[in-house]
Amino acid sequence: QVQLQESGPGLVKPSETLSLTCAVSGYSITTGYHWGWIRQPPGKGLEWIGSVYRRGNTYYNPSLASRAVLSVDTPTNQFSLQLRSMTAADTAVYYCVRDGDANFDYWGQGTLVTVSS
Amino acid sequence: QSALTQPASVSGSPGQSITISCTGTSSDIGAYNYVSWYQQHPGKVPKLIIYDVSNRPSGVSDRFSGSKSDNTASLTISGLQAEDEADYYCASYTTTITRVFGGGTKLTVL
Repeated sequence: QVQLQESGPGLVKPSETLSLTCAVSGYSITTGYHWGWIRQPPGKGLEWIGSVYRRGNTYYNPSLASRAVLSVDTPTNQFSLQLRSMTAADTAVYYCVRDGDANFDYWGQGTLVTVSS
Repeated sequence: QSALTQPASVSGSPGQSITISCTGTSSDIGAYNYVSWYQQHPGKVPKLIIYDVSNRPSGVSDRFSGSKSDNTASLTISGLQAEDEADYYCASYTTTITRVFGGGTKLTVL
């Protein structure tokens, strides 16, 4: 069974960089698929942040491309998100997902990230 | 890229059928058969219920069905049940190799 688990800080100060990691179990990320991040501000809809392929190819939401960096760590079967220059508008639940070309079939439990001083 | 367009809310009575539309462009929904739908109950993780326009993952009720015509995808729920009350989101692959979601639709079972 494929499982994903996010880890990272629950609180980030304005202007700082958010770093989140997603640990994948039950499937090797080197086998295939893209691996992505999706966020959901409180009470709002889903927003795709970006996805990364096993070879490191990355694809970003144009609205976040200037601030987001995705990477994969194949030896540990993990992938990561860095989002810099955080503001209150970035407060959201962040999900890591397995991405089959916009078919997001496995999701992490989500982690709430609050931006506040 | 602009979000796909969904109605903010739909409602139906138990046993009825409802359809949720998801309108995009020739650069997303109209370009590929990579449209998916998600169900999200309050406080829960979204769940994939339709992929590649009309396919159901294992374990998803056959009351859920998907279709597409030109730049608009649709999710139909037949035999509406109280447990279907949730938020529903569509998503699509795009010609710029990005992904885009709809704004979400709140389904109320009367």
